[in-house]
Amino acid sequence: TQLLEQSPQFLSIQEGENLTVYCNSSSVFSSLQWYRQEPGEGPVLLVTVVTGGEVKKLKRLTFQFGDARKDSSLHITAAQPGDTGLYLCAGARGQGGKLIFGQGTELSVKP
Amino acid sequence: DVKVTQSSRYLVKRTGEKVFLECVQDMDHENMFWYRQDPGLGLRLIYFSYDVKMKEKGDIPEGYSVSREKKERFSLILESASTNQTSMYLCASSFFGHVYGYTFGSGTRLTVV
Repeated sequence: TQLLEQSPQFLSIQEGENLTVYCNSSSVFSSLQWYRQEPGEGPVLLVTVVTGGEVKKLKRLTFQFGDARKDSSLHITAAQPGDTGLYLCAGARGQGGKLIFGQGTELSVKP
Repeated sequence: DVKVTQSSRYLVKRTGEKVFLECVQDMDHENMFWYRQDPGLGLRLIYFSYDVKMKEKGDIPEGYSVSREKKERFSLILESASTNQTSMYLCASSFFGHVYGYTFGSGTRLTVV
C-alpha cells in the first residue's frame, strides 16, 4: 500500500519553464519533508514543513504543506538543468522520526 | 563534514550467501534506518533503530535482520541472499523527532546472482 502518492512520476521540461510536483495521502502526517536525489547518491534534504498551511521558499523552490497535513506541493520557478534529479516527498508518522516515502518524481530539465 | 558512510558502493553476491551491509554515522544521531530503493517503488523501510540495542521492523523486514551494538553503527544482514533482494540499499540517520531530516549514505548497489 502506497501511503504517499506523488505526481507526476516523470516530467521533462525546457529550461525556464515552471513546474509543480504533488504529494498526496489520505493519512495525516506529523511533518513532511522533500528530498532531491542525484544518480548514484543518497537523497539530500531540501525542506521540512510542520504546520498545516505552511509555505517555505528555497530560492526558486516553493514548498507548501496542506491545511490538513495530508498533502504537499513543490513548485519550481524558471527551472534550470541543475534542477534535474529525483524528487522525493516523505511523511513522518508519530513523533520518533520514521518516514514514509513517495515513489518519487523524475525531473529532467533540458537546456 | 558530517556524514553517513556505507561500507561498499557495489556488491555482487551469490544466491544463498550471508551478506553484511555496514553503515556508520558520525553525527551522534539516535535514529538509524535501512531502506531499499527500487524503480517505481520509492524507498521502502526495512528496519530502523531509535537507540543502541533497539530495533524495529519496517514495512518489508522479511529476509533481513539488523544489529546495533554501538550508537554510530547499524548493520543490515541478509541471512540467505536471493535474487529478489537485488536492489539499492540506503542507510540514513537522524536525531530523534519528526522534525529532523535524514542524512543518507551514498548507497550500496547489491546484485545477487
